[in-house]
Amino acid sequence: DAGVTQSPTHLIKTRGQHVTLRCSPISGHKSVSWYQQVLGQGPQFIFQYYEKEERGRGNFPDRFSARQFPNYSSELNVNALLLGDSALYLCASSLRGSTDTQYFGPGTRLTVL
Amino acid sequence: DAKTTQPTSMDCAEGRAANLPCNHSTISGNEYVYWYRQIHSQGPQYIIHGLKNNETNEMASLIITEDRKSSTLILPHATLRDTAVYYCIVRVTGLNTGNQFYFGTGTSLTVIP
Repeated sequence: DAGVTQSPTHLIKTRGQHVTLRCSPISGHKSVSWYQQVLGQGPQFIFQYYEKEERGRGNFPDRFSARQFPNYSSELNVNALLLGDSALYLCASSLRGSTDTQYFGPGTRLTVL
Repeated sequence: DAKTTQPTSMDCAEGRAANLPCNHSTISGNEYVYWYRQIHSQGPQYIIHGLKNNETNEMASLIITEDRKSSTLILPHATLRDTAVYYCIVRVTGLNTGNQFYFGTGTSLTVIP
């Protein structure tokens, strides 16, 4: 069975640009969460979506936004990129929104120059 | 606020049991303890989770103290492939916070030949 997939694998942007990262959950999973992992630190929660609705938001600025589509895939958008946005962005899927184990994808490595 | 406390690093001889401790003294009654591991810049891999009873699966065992303020992950026969950063996580579910996983900085486990 396919796990969580993310695209692209790597991405290089310059300051001020915007970026869109994509995630496809495990088949049958209806919830997607996004995390940011800066080098040397553990992942930090950004968003959770379940049944196309935002169910949770971490402490990130409004430059970060996300959405979930009818097929349960998800996009994370980051506007006005800063150098500090350079990180590994992880997507995790779970069966439902509240009580289930999250399974992580391989991540997208974003570098902002 | 810190949810979990783990040693920064540990070594273990190949073939021996690896015992990774975690302190979660502020855990509340409905918060689960999860363990994930991450091998160099890959997505975190689920290992095991529990609420108050000890748990065992094909990868590891989880021992949770009776007061639930600490736990230990046990890898019964460590191999070189178990070298990774191990995260002890408290899962919090709330109306406005969704299903968040609070990652700390984890324990870097090195299995020595």
